[in-house]
Amino acid sequence: EDKVVQSPLSLVVHEGDTVTLNCSYEVTNFRSLLWYKQEKKAPTFLFMLTSSGIEKKSGRLSSILDKKELFSILNITATQTGDSAVYLCAVDPFAGNTPLVFGKGTRLSVIA
Amino acid sequence: KAGVTQTPRYLIKTRGQQVTLSCSPISGHRSVSWYQQTPGQGLQFLFEYFSETQRNKGNFPGRFSGRQFSNSRSEMNVSTLELGDSALYLCASSLDRYNLGGSYEQYFGPGTRLTVT
Repeated sequence: EDKVVQSPLSLVVHEGDTVTLNCSYEVTNFRSLLWYKQEKKAPTFLFMLTSSGIEKKSGRLSSILDKKELFSILNITATQTGDSAVYLCAVDPFAGNTPLVFGKGTRLSVIA
Repeated sequence: KAGVTQTPRYLIKTRGQQVTLSCSPISGHRSVSWYQQTPGQGLQFLFEYFSETQRNKGNFPGRFSGRQFSNSRSEMNVSTLELGDSALYLCASSLDRYNLGGSYEQYFGPGTRLTVT
C-alpha cells in the first residue's frame, strides 16, 4: 500500500530558528512529490519536486528530494510567526488511475 | 485568474439528511479531486473526476457520491448523514494529471465545513 509519513507530527520553535520537516514515502511508482502549507483554510501549494538533488527555493523556504532514499525535506530559515501552519507532503504515485497520497502533516508553531 | 471556488462555505445538517457540495475549478482545469479532512485522519481522498468521468474513488461508503459536468464543475453528495461525516471537504483542481508530459500542481479551494448534529 502506498504511504507517506511525515515527521515530526508537531514542532514548536522560536522566531528566527531554522526548521527541517521530513517526508518519507513508499509508493509503487513515483512521478512527483508536493509540499503544501495549510493555515486555517485550504492548503496552498509550495513546491513540486520530480528530480533528486535539485533544490527548489522560494524565499526562506526550500525543499529537496532524494529518490534513492525515498524522502524529501522542507527547510524554513529565519522562521516567523506567519510560518505557523500545518505542512503537508503528498506523492503522485502515477500508477494508472491513482490519486495523490498525502501524509498526515507536520504542525509547526512559531512563537515570538 | 480566479481560484477554485466551493459552495457553500459552511453547512449545518442533522443526522439522516443529505447534502450536496459544489466545486468550480480554475478555468481550464479539467481534473477535480475531492478530499475529506478531519483532525484525526488528516486529508483523505474521496474521488477524482476528469472530463465527466470518475477516475478514482477512495475508500468511502456508497453514501458518498460525486459527478462532474461538461464545464468541469463538480458536485459531491452525501446521503444519510452521520455524525462522523462532520469535516472540512476540500476540492482541488489541476490540468490533466494523466498527461505524461505535464506537471501536476493541484490547487485547493477554500473548503466546505460540514457539521452534522
